[in-house]
Amino acid sequence: KNEVEQSPQNLTAQEGEFITINCSYSVGISALHWLQQHPGGGIVSLFMLSSGKKKHGRLIATINIQEKHSSLHITASHPRDSAVYICAVGVRGGGADGLTFGKGTHLIIQP
Amino acid sequence: NAGVTQTPKFRVLKTGQSMTLLCAQDMNHEYMYWYRQDPGMGLRLIHYSVGEGTTAKGEVPDGYNVSRLKKQNFLLGLESAAPSQTSVYFCASSDTRTRRGAFFGQGTRLTVV
Repeated sequence: KNEVEQSPQNLTAQEGEFITINCSYSVGISALHWLQQHPGGGIVSLFMLSSGKKKHGRLIATINIQEKHSSLHITASHPRDSAVYICAVGVRGGGADGLTFGKGTHLIIQP
Repeated sequence: NAGVTQTPKFRVLKTGQSMTLLCAQDMNHEYMYWYRQDPGMGLRLIHYSVGEGTTAKGEVPDGYNVSRLKKQNFLLGLESAAPSQTSVYFCASSDTRTRRGAFFGQGTRLTVV
């Protein structure tokens, strides 16, 4: 079973700061997902990546397959970015049946 | 486009009662899943389905049953609820052909007293 570790568990930052959330996993994967969950809300898929880097607005996700490590970056952070960010890895296909989830990083952006 | 819709959003059950959670998706996805989310733990897969009429057990299937009679719907049943099943339940769907990842519902907060 793949072990997924996220760091930090909790992060509080000021508006405008550059944010980095890290994810490490123990077994080779086919895809890695970054998800966002707002308090009391549903889960939204931010990225699915298997190599390199993806960018969407102020969010950037990178993955290093050799090092079994991924990072999620938020540039020019804003209070609305406050949420739990979850890393999940899949070992087959792009579906969610083989996903193993990290425990999440609780991010608070203060104005 | 509604995506993935779960009903109900909240429910309180007494120990021993039964209930069914409904998940509906309008994206014509083949794969559907039920997860539970508990404090301090990552999401854990309860059951999943790779197509209409098929279901399979996930990591924590005990105490739950599922059915996928129609492609767009995936039902999760609790036959005799227990306090240990107090959790937030998430349904998800995906289409591996597009490799767009999974789409999640808003969650159902279930409390068993």
